[in-house]
Amino acid sequence: QQQVKQSPQSLIVQKGGISIINCAYENTAFDYFPWYQQFPGKGPALLIAIRPDVSEKKEGRFTISFNKSAKQFSLHIMDSQPGDSATYFCAASKETSGSRLTFGEGTQLTVNP
Amino acid sequence: GAVVSQHPSRVICKSGTSVKIECRSLDFQATTMFWYRQFPKQSLMLMATSNEGSKATYEQGVEKDKFLINHASLTLSTLTVTSAHPEDSSFYICSARDYRFNSPLHFGNGTRLTVT
Repeated sequence: QQQVKQSPQSLIVQKGGISIINCAYENTAFDYFPWYQQFPGKGPALLIAIRPDVSEKKEGRFTISFNKSAKQFSLHIMDSQPGDSATYFCAASKETSGSRLTFGEGTQLTVNP
Repeated sequence: GAVVSQHPSRVICKSGTSVKIECRSLDFQATTMFWYRQFPKQSLMLMATSNEGSKATYEQGVEKDKFLINHASLTLSTLTVTSAHPEDSSFYICSARDYRFNSPLHFGNGTRLTVT
């Protein structure tokens, strides 16, 4: 059973635009929600993460919005650049279990110049 | 910053042989490491949790006798794919966290296994 659902599967954005990727989770015990960026042939790299005690977190051009009641969270990439073209994964874990992450299905982002 | 190193990055082996993949934490001690498998254009699926000095914990559906995990030290975990078959061809990725609580999880750069 997929516990973290991610959409869209693919996304094409023009340079300078905003990329928005959404995730929904089922397990209310999850309390840590990271986003990872993965380039082809590489391991995923942590972009930004949020815990449920805040509704938004911003780091540079990347912002996570979190809606605890709806069990949804999203990644916003402002001023998207061609170098942002990659696959993005949301994930969730119960911190008490030691970071066993459950990943979403992934979103392939293409930023056109 | 913390780095997780994986070796080899690519390996090709013949069907029926075994292959070992190493995962090292370079500048921190990792009491726990995680092994993931990723098929092309798919998500990462957790295979097992590797605990230093004790047996690994495998996820449901993962054959522990086929995917042998050893975590003999605080900086090294190994995954051995035994009697590999073409369907085992995949991208294997390890991850580790610093022993200090609430440190982020770091991923290695993965190992592309091709079984011919």
